[in-house]
Amino acid sequence: DTAVSQTPKYLVTQMGNDKSIKCEQNLGHDTMYWYKQDSKKFLKIMFSYNNKELIINETVPNRFSPKSPDKAHLNLHINSLELGDSAVYFCASRLQVNEKLFFGSGTQLSVL
Amino acid sequence: DQQVKQNSPSLSVQEGRISILNCDYTNSMFDYFLWYKKYPAEGPTFLISISSIKDKNEDGRFTVFLNKSAKHLSLHIVPSQPGDSAVYFCAATGNVGGSTLGRLYFGRGTQLTVWP
Repeated sequence: DTAVSQTPKYLVTQMGNDKSIKCEQNLGHDTMYWYKQDSKKFLKIMFSYNNKELIINETVPNRFSPKSPDKAHLNLHINSLELGDSAVYFCASRLQVNEKLFFGSGTQLSVL
Repeated sequence: DQQVKQNSPSLSVQEGRISILNCDYTNSMFDYFLWYKKYPAEGPTFLISISSIKDKNEDGRFTVFLNKSAKHLSLHIVPSQPGDSAVYFCAATGNVGGSTLGRLYFGRGTQLTVWP
């Protein structure tokens, strides 16, 4: 069974559209994250939720909105997609601070 | 401003030899360091970690060394195998800016290629 699963794996869409990426973890972890890997390959944190509560919110356009219906799920909604949003988005989770992160396999978003 | 730097984008090593991947950091508040390995089209997977109270941690073929005074860590893989070919990310965390949220700061990765 996949520990952290995110869907879809590939997402190709037009500028201006609204899209969502879903993430689920079956590890019983309390904290979930969204990371973005841009064209320069940097992995940067976007958001973090702990038990459905937002605890980290980096400087991300408000077109990006995370939603956590329960502690096993953290979805990412993106409104009015722009060309610069093209990147790989990774969901991750961990049990406690200073424990290792478990990553999903990533969603390659391409905005045309 | 990158607080974790991996200055070598790529490294090529012959099978059986040692691979040494380097990482530098700037924030003295970092107290826990991790290495992740990433294959194409997959997410990063945890490889090995080290706490700042140690200067070495070993796990099989993988050893991480930490030099706090130099703010430098390195990952040694010996012997290197073709299956080790992947991107290796260095990451750091700690009480940064008064926050103990455990945020991980990543380097941009080093592509390791191990050839037969």
